[in-house]
Amino acid sequence: DTGVSQNPRHKITKRGQNVTFRCDPISEHNRLYWYRQTLGQGPEFLTYFQNEAQLEKSRLLSDRFSAERPKGSFSTLEIQRTEQGDSAMYLCASSLAGVNTEAFFGQGTRLTVV
Amino acid sequence: GEDVEQSLFLSVREGDSSVINCTYTDSSSTYLYWYKQEPGAGLQLLTYIFSNMDMKQDQRLTVLLNKKDKHLSLRIADTQTGDSAIYFCAEAYAGNNRKLIWGLGTSLAVNP
Repeated sequence: DTGVSQNPRHKITKRGQNVTFRCDPISEHNRLYWYRQTLGQGPEFLTYFQNEAQLEKSRLLSDRFSAERPKGSFSTLEIQRTEQGDSAMYLCASSLAGVNTEAFFGQGTRLTVV
Repeated sequence: GEDVEQSLFLSVREGDSSVINCTYTDSSSTYLYWYKQEPGAGLQLLTYIFSNMDMKQDQRLTVLLNKKDKHLSLRIADTQTGDSAIYFCAEAYAGNNRKLIWGLGTSLAVNP
């Protein structure tokens, strides 16, 4: 296992288009997190899954955003009708369940909305 | 409320010690973390400290926690040019989901 994998690494899209990102976590990890990071900021929590269940969504996640983890393995994050303000790095992390288990991060998908 | 604050920039000479500071507001945080982010790379966990500890040392890294003042620091001894990166402080949000709350990051520049 080579760690958390995110695809694509970069995405440029026109405003109003829909985009979908994929995250493949470390295989035995049952928790999966999505964060968004804009330039000069720390990551902001968006949502997290335990297995296939989406347990929490940030209020940052408007109704244009949807995340799924249908089989409890990979996850997708879709943004509909993209806006320029959606331009950011979208980070995925995975971890084992437990009181303190390390979250391993992917390298992120950089989205640019033009 | 949820808020983690860090100074934004730090510049040191190679071989000197670096001290990166962080303050947090959630007194119920159980774990506090330091992550490193190099340009174009993902986030790498450097170290963490449990809230009932005062200090943790791991090779060149020393973490100090003052729970009363909600102050966390990361000391890097013998700083090298390869340590140049952005360092994020993060706290584990109290609750069941281990959501991390992040600072804005401190950009460390190491000058030869």
